[in-house]
Amino acid sequence: DSGVTQTPKHLITATGQRVTLRCSPRSGDLSVYWYQQSLDQGLQFLIQYYNGEERAKGNILERFSAQQFPDLHSELNLSSLELGDSALYFCASSVDGGASNEKLFFGSGTQLSVL
Amino acid sequence: AQSVTQLGSHVSVSEGALVLLRCNYSSSVPPYLFWYVQYPNQGLQLLLKYTTGATLVKGINGFEAEFKKSETSFHLTKPSAHMSDAAEYFCAVHPTQGGSEKLVFGKGTKLTVNP
Repeated sequence: DSGVTQTPKHLITATGQRVTLRCSPRSGDLSVYWYQQSLDQGLQFLIQYYNGEERAKGNILERFSAQQFPDLHSELNLSSLELGDSALYFCASSVDGGASNEKLFFGSGTQLSVL
Repeated sequence: AQSVTQLGSHVSVSEGALVLLRCNYSSSVPPYLFWYVQYPNQGLQLLLKYTTGATLVKGINGFEAEFKKSETSFHLTKPSAHMSDAAEYFCAVHPTQGGSEKLVFGKGTKLTVNP
């Protein structure tokens, strides 16, 4: 158990809808990362938050947004969903998020299916 | 931008045989290098990492990897495969210099271990 909790584990929805994925980092970790894993693209970095502030942005679509709350949990909001958004979404956390050699701890992911 | 190439999306070995999973990176400056493993229905977990110092790095579960700067490679090996090693393995790099680029993953290699 990595200590990172993601809910829900599975989400099935329809095109055009909006969903929210939730992540609770390990106790003491200040940084949260979101990744998207799909068969064709592999693992793609979406966005990173550190202590409530956005720190880095990757290949995140404008339809997607995220935030990190004062209690350090994070939510990833996906709107106007398309079939191609179906993927496994991972959250990871780390103590600081500023060090290049830092270890990430991953949650078990949320499997999103858009029908 | 950094990129990671994992040669072979699927590798199959017999139990007790050598495991060799290949990873090459593209960077003029050696990045920090990582191998993560993903067991079925779980998140990724760190196997090992190379930052500085000794180029042969030992990780968990008997795995090791050697950083070869001249070959821009960081191949993962295990002398004797066990059935429990069946999983997907991801090589990842993190640039050591500048930018906001975060951990970049290869597309993964699925390891099958045959009895």
